[in-house]
Amino acid sequence: NAGVTQTPKFQVLKTGQSMTLQCAQDMNHNSMYWYRQDPGMGLRLIYYSASEGTTDKGEVPNGYNVSRLNKREFSLRLESAAPSQTSVYFCASSDIYEQYFGPGTRLTVT
Amino acid sequence: RKEVEQDPGPFNVPEGATVAFNCTYSNSASQSFFWYRQDCRKEPKLLMSVYSSGNEDGRFTAQLNRASQYISLLIRDSKLSDSATYLCVVTLPADDYKLSFGAGTTVTVRA
Repeated sequence: NAGVTQTPKFQVLKTGQSMTLQCAQDMNHNSMYWYRQDPGMGLRLIYYSASEGTTDKGEVPNGYNVSRLNKREFSLRLESAAPSQTSVYFCASSDIYEQYFGPGTRLTVT
Repeated sequence: RKEVEQDPGPFNVPEGATVAFNCTYSNSASQSFFWYRQDCRKEPKLLMSVYSSGNEDGRFTAQLNRASQYISLLIRDSKLSDSATYLCVVTLPADDYKLSFGAGTTVTVRA
């Protein structure tokens, strides 16, 4: 039982490049989330998906897009990376009791 | 004003000591409260939920004060393994699926 997996673990991009962060969960959860975590700040919600086929904006959605490909997978895309998007990105899924997080992707945009 | 505010610390305590810290939340209609633990460069993990009546889980005690809008976490008999950042988490009133995270309180337990 892998829980929540994320790929890649590390990534360096140049300004303007695009990339997709992948996330998958094997716990049969309906809800999935993408967060970013920056020093001195709490996790901030980028997008979430309450169920397969639905996505909604969180607190900081600008510059990102998401796809809920199926119940297991929820991807985050940066179309044109900016240095302000340098951060640690966490994917999570939840049942009614708690959120389970993936190991994170450390992204640096130069 | 941030939804959830925490003293960042760090709280440096010797093994065996008791350490306690609070977090305040801004929305009085918040429904559910949690403490998550995050080890350095790792993902957050649920430590415990916080109930209105307060609750204990081993050496950890969580309290909720709705009137003053804060929750607290107390760690007794601190262990080296308790060194971590503790995140205060509150659900947003409009949607129990969405969590609001504090920036965390760092605790370092020294031998």
